[in-house]
Amino acid sequence: DSGVTQTPKHLITATGQRVTLRCSPRSGDLSVYWYQQSLDQGLQFLIQYYNGEERAKGNILERFSAQQFPDLHSELNLSSLELGDSALYFCATSDRSNTGELFFGEGSRLTVL
Amino acid sequence: DQQVKQNSPSLSVQEGRISILNCDYTNSMFDYFLWYKKYPAEGPTFLISISSIKDKNEDGRFTVFLNKSAKHLSLHIVPSQPGDSAVYFCAAASGTYKYIFGTGTRLKVLA
Repeated sequence: DSGVTQTPKHLITATGQRVTLRCSPRSGDLSVYWYQQSLDQGLQFLIQYYNGEERAKGNILERFSAQQFPDLHSELNLSSLELGDSALYFCATSDRSNTGELFFGEGSRLTVL
Repeated sequence: DQQVKQNSPSLSVQEGRISILNCDYTNSMFDYFLWYKKYPAEGPTFLISISSIKDKNEDGRFTVFLNKSAKHLSLHIVPSQPGDSAVYFCAAASGTYKYIFGTGTRLKVLA
């Protein structure tokens, strides 16, 4: 158990819909990273927050957005969903702004039908 | 643009032998490298890391080697055990805070 909690674990929805994925970091972790893993693909970096502020952006679509709240939990919002958005979405947290170990949650599996 | 590459999608090794997993990167600004292991239906878990000021880091059966001039790192597992069967990801990070992961290598250790 990494101490990082992601909800929901599984989510099935239809094209065009909007979903929110939630991540609760380990106590004391200020950095939150979001990754997408599609079938047989690696972990694609989406976005990073550090202590409530956006720090880095990767290959995140404009239909996707994220935020980190004062209590340090983070949410990833996916809208106008397409079939290709079906993937595992991982949250990872760290106690530092860069370097150091990332602790991953178990992921949220999104299926878009 | 794949900045971190794992060119071998899969690897099979006999139990007790050495497993060598390779990773290449293109960005010379990366200064911190990590290896993660992932079992099915679980999140990746940290294995071992190395800073760019070192060329080797060892932790039990796991050793990571870094060749900065070749922009190459490798993970050695000796001896390999059936429980090591998993997908292994290498990752690289820099002062811009991003951790970039490779596409993974599926290791199968045969009993």
